[in-house]
Amino acid sequence: GAVVSQHPSRVICKSGTSVKIECRSLDFQATTMFWYRQFPKKSLMLMATSNEGSKATYEQGVEKDKFLINHASLTLSTLTVTSAHPEDSSFYICSARPAGRETLDEQFFGPGTRLTVL
Amino acid sequence: GQNIDQPTEMTATEGAIVQINCTYQTSGFNGLFWYQQHAGEAPTFLSYNVLDGLEEKGRFSSFLSRSKGYSYLLLKELQMKDSASYLCAPAGGSQGNLIFGKGTKLSVKP
Repeated sequence: GAVVSQHPSRVICKSGTSVKIECRSLDFQATTMFWYRQFPKKSLMLMATSNEGSKATYEQGVEKDKFLINHASLTLSTLTVTSAHPEDSSFYICSARPAGRETLDEQFFGPGTRLTVL
Repeated sequence: GQNIDQPTEMTATEGAIVQINCTYQTSGFNGLFWYQQHAGEAPTFLSYNVLDGLEEKGRFSSFLSRSKGYSYLLLKELQMKDSASYLCAPAGGSQGNLIFGKGTKLSVKP
């Protein structure tokens, strides 16, 4: 149980285009999903917290107009990187926190999406 | 502020025991997670400690001391496949998120 999927697993795009990444909890409902970014040999950095039915909360330094997050249902959150630039190339990972278990702070991670912007 | 400190790299021999230490300072605290991450992959869950003491799970054990802001991950009977980065992640961000350390890259040698 507690499987989280991400799609696509890899994407290569041209500079200036937009890319959408989906994060799905497959066998549980998640009121909260988190989006992380990881640059090579660096730690995971939280970008934003996505709550179902409300606006995402962005961490300091993360542009909300560039990284659009939509948590449309209890099993799906999407991250859209708009007008992507080469410096946006990174490993994007989502995690989901099961509904009803928020006090445990337990999270389940998706497999990640490798974005390369040319 | 938030600060997590763990060694950058460690090397150990196959079959041996290794202990990866982590000290942390966070504004809130609701337990501490350890994750394993192979290169290019997402982290996978290893352990969760919310109370002081040792939690044992097969070859992996994790210890927590909340008063000292200290945890360690103990790996026994090391195998080559244990070569990976190990991330210490206290739970206590303002959004209930995990705060990740930079990870300890463990290399297991034959």
